[in-house]
Amino acid sequence: QQQVKQSPQSLIVQKGGIPIINCAYENTAFDYFPWYQQFPGKGPALLIAIRPDVSEKKEGRFTISFNKSAKQFSLHIMDSQPGDSATYFCAFGGTSYGKLTFGQGTILTVHP
Amino acid sequence: DGGITQSPKYLFRKEGQNVTLSCEQNLNHDAMYWYRQDPGQGLRLIYYSQIVNDFQKGDIAEGYSVSREKKESFPLTVTSAQKNPTAFYLCASMRGQSSGANVLTFGAGSRLTVL
Repeated sequence: QQQVKQSPQSLIVQKGGIPIINCAYENTAFDYFPWYQQFPGKGPALLIAIRPDVSEKKEGRFTISFNKSAKQFSLHIMDSQPGDSATYFCAFGGTSYGKLTFGQGTILTVHP
Repeated sequence: DGGITQSPKYLFRKEGQNVTLSCEQNLNHDAMYWYRQDPGQGLRLIYYSQIVNDFQKGDIAEGYSVSREKKESFPLTVTSAQKNPTAFYLCASMRGQSSGANVLTFGAGSRLTVL
């Protein structure tokens, strides 16, 4: 079973803070690293994704940083808002893998 | 609107009973997936199917069964052999690995409680 380790399990920040969520993976054959966002009672939805040929990708207030040599990638949320309160999952996959394996999830709470 | 419909949203079952969760998609996606979500354990893959009439076991297939008779439908049966079936079940679909895109689209989930 492929492993991905996500941390922290939960995170509380004030509005405007920059929460950072980290993931470490084992298998270097994977070439697709997405982050999913899930609100209570809903299914997860794709937030942002990166491939290992770049070290950073930004979409709005969300940034993925990718460290291929360390086999780690992280999600940064700039100027966090209460509406960002959700559970965030990292995942990994590949064009020849056919499925995604998910991390354990991080529950983010942004206080007003 | 295209999407994935899961039903029922909530389901209660007595121990020893089988239950089937429905998943229908109108996205014309080739691949479909079932994940189980438990607090602190993330999403764990139960079964997946990349084409009609074919499916593969995921990481936690024991006590579950699936079928893929139509491209649009991928029902999951939770059998009495599943020792701890109370969980949130998520169905998802993907356009197809040959497209080079691995984006999963999820349904809203079905919460199963065993009494």
